[in-house]
Amino acid sequence: GAGVSQSPSNKVTEKGKDVELRCDPISGHTALYWYRQSLGQGLEFLIYFQGNSAPDKSGLPSDRFSAERTGGSVSTLTIQRTQQEDSAVYLCASSLGPSRTGELFFGEGSRLTVL
Amino acid sequence: GDSVTQMEGPVTLSEEAFLTINCTYTATGYPSLFWYVQYPGEGLQLLLKATKADDKGSNKGFEATYRKETTSFHLEKGSVQVSDSAVYFCALRGMDSNYQLIWGAGTKLIIKP
Repeated sequence: GAGVSQSPSNKVTEKGKDVELRCDPISGHTALYWYRQSLGQGLEFLIYFQGNSAPDKSGLPSDRFSAERTGGSVSTLTIQRTQQEDSAVYLCASSLGPSRTGELFFGEGSRLTVL
Repeated sequence: GDSVTQMEGPVTLSEEAFLTINCTYTATGYPSLFWYVQYPGEGLQLLLKATKADDKGSNKGFEATYRKETTSFHLEKGSVQVSDSAVYFCALRGMDSNYQLIWGAGTKLIIKP
């Protein structure tokens, strides 16, 4: 597609349920990133993919969080046994590749609300 | 570790006013510096960047100069419009990383007609 696509745009779930968030990056972009944005906060890095590999998953808050990327394209972020503190906007971005000066292209985000 | 500090918002201005949003950073060496903007209902997008000291990034009437001596990258615009209302994020990428961005907390800008 023309831009980074994320789904769902909004997700309301009950505490303890699992959720999956999907990101479809720009075609040809080998690097993919997941961030979390809480109200009034900056972006919190979660995980970075280069191709299908995740050389940096240091930002995942707990073992309830996992992510995968298949075919060097679509990525899924899974949160198991959701907690209220998981409520946030989850942002996906992609770029041509790793670069000190390169631009990230963001999706519109998936807003997660855990009741 | 590396960090970015932005002025807190919201910043409220009248149309045609002069805008400054302060951004200072802590990093070793010469990081690359960025301003991203998030318009209501849209994803973040790159506004401008500077990759070495004294560089000036500019786009859409906005400017920011990479000041190594004051470790700053303040965003300025001479005459703001209602359409500039958005959240602005300052970010840096350190010399030891080719992917990790360190983000400021964001500054919400509200322009009144």
